[in-house]
Amino acid sequence: AQKVTQAQTEISVVEKEDVTLDCVYETRDTTYYLFWYKQPPSGELVFLIRRNSFDEQNEISGRYSWNFQKSTSSFNFTITASQVVDSAVYFCALSEANTGTASKLTFGTGTRLQVTL
Amino acid sequence: DTGVSQNPRHKITKRGQNVTFRCDPISEHNRLYWYRQTLGQGPEFLTYFQNEAQLEKSRLLSDRFSAERPKGSFSTLEIQRTEQGDSAMYLCASSSAVGQLFSYEQYFGPGTRLTVT
Repeated sequence: AQKVTQAQTEISVVEKEDVTLDCVYETRDTTYYLFWYKQPPSGELVFLIRRNSFDEQNEISGRYSWNFQKSTSSFNFTITASQVVDSAVYFCALSEANTGTASKLTFGTGTRLQVTL
Repeated sequence: DTGVSQNPRHKITKRGQNVTFRCDPISEHNRLYWYRQTLGQGPEFLTYFQNEAQLEKSRLLSDRFSAERPKGSFSTLEIQRTEQGDSAMYLCASSSAVGQLFSYEQYFGPGTRLTVT
């Protein structure tokens, strides 16, 4: 069975600080997909990034970066120079490949990020 | 290009009543998913469709729950004889598993918040 653990329930930082959100996953599949979603106070889940299990390259998109390490089953998310608008709940999710395509998502319990001035 | 829409956005019902929610996916997407999210938790998978076929159902989906996607476009989720434990946010997502539109990521709607009194 697949499982996603986000051990950090809540993180508070001051604007412009860097912050890393941790994600550890468990799966028996050799092919799987990892995702990060953002859920702002409005409630709608917003897709941020997807990584494939066969591609361990880290990725940077503006102030966001992701560190995927299969050896430790981790897929951590760093926000550089955080801003108040980054305040939200962030979810890490896993999808095991099924007939060659991703199907249901298994989510972690989320990390609430509070960025203050 | 419209996103995933859900109706109603909020529903308050008395215990024992039946409720039905509707989800309209992104128009080119052939896969549609239902999730349930309770306070402080990540979304939990309920069921998903590829076109009109319901391909997987979670054990969370008791006999009181039924989902349909009769023409492969919009979907409905019905809960019969609601219980207080059904109070949650019901999320719908869609993705494409076809040709050039193929995407592993799921795009979520704003959700329907159900309160059972």
